[in-house]
Amino acid sequence: QKEVEQDPGPLSVPEGAIVSLNCTYSNSAFQYFMWYRQYSRKGPELLMYTYSSGNKEDGRFTAQVDKSSKYISLFIRDSQPSDSATYLCAMSGKSGGSYIPTFGRGTSLIVHP
Amino acid sequence: NAGVTQTPKFQVLKTGQSMTLQCAQDMNHNSMYWYRQDPGMGLRLIYYSASEGTTDKGEVPNGYNVSRLNKREFSLRLESAAPSQTSVYFCASSEGNRARHSNQPQHFGDGTRLSIL
Repeated sequence: QKEVEQDPGPLSVPEGAIVSLNCTYSNSAFQYFMWYRQYSRKGPELLMYTYSSGNKEDGRFTAQVDKSSKYISLFIRDSQPSDSATYLCAMSGKSGGSYIPTFGRGTSLIVHP
Repeated sequence: NAGVTQTPKFQVLKTGQSMTLQCAQDMNHNSMYWYRQDPGMGLRLIYYSASEGTTDKGEVPNGYNVSRLNKREFSLRLESAAPSQTSVYFCASSEGNRARHSNQPQHFGDGTRLSIL
């Protein structure tokens, strides 16, 4: 079992839908949680960065962390075709003396007009 | 503000050829990283550099070497390219004094697409 599990999709939704993207993890040392968006032929772009449990909101995006369940989510409200991309979760903690993040494999999202 | 710049963007090599991938960042970050991204495998860390003058192996270092030329630049070298090294290579950087104790998120370049025939 990988340390971070993420359904690769693709997830296809109509424009305006609420999108829920999720990752589960097994390492209880993880404390920092990130979501990256990656457009085709581009590098990952940091969307959200949170510490420990709770919610963080930024515009149409909300990141949610449930450390008790080892489960994190990214919600996208009023989804747009421009949100079509691959979304990568990443997480880190002081594991083995290093904070280098562990990435999920990414979920492909398609928002159709 | 360019962020992380990678060159070249595309390259085709023959098996056995050597090549250096270049990366530069203008964010004054101490830590830099090289990843490869393959379909279904996600991002895998090849090497990283916590600070100028230091480098460490990541998850998949075999067949690669790195040089932290200065604070801005971190290069990745393939000495004898193999078809298994066909991939998209990403460079990233992050704040922090040392990668071992840095919890800051990484910022990525747009990648080098490398094909080895």
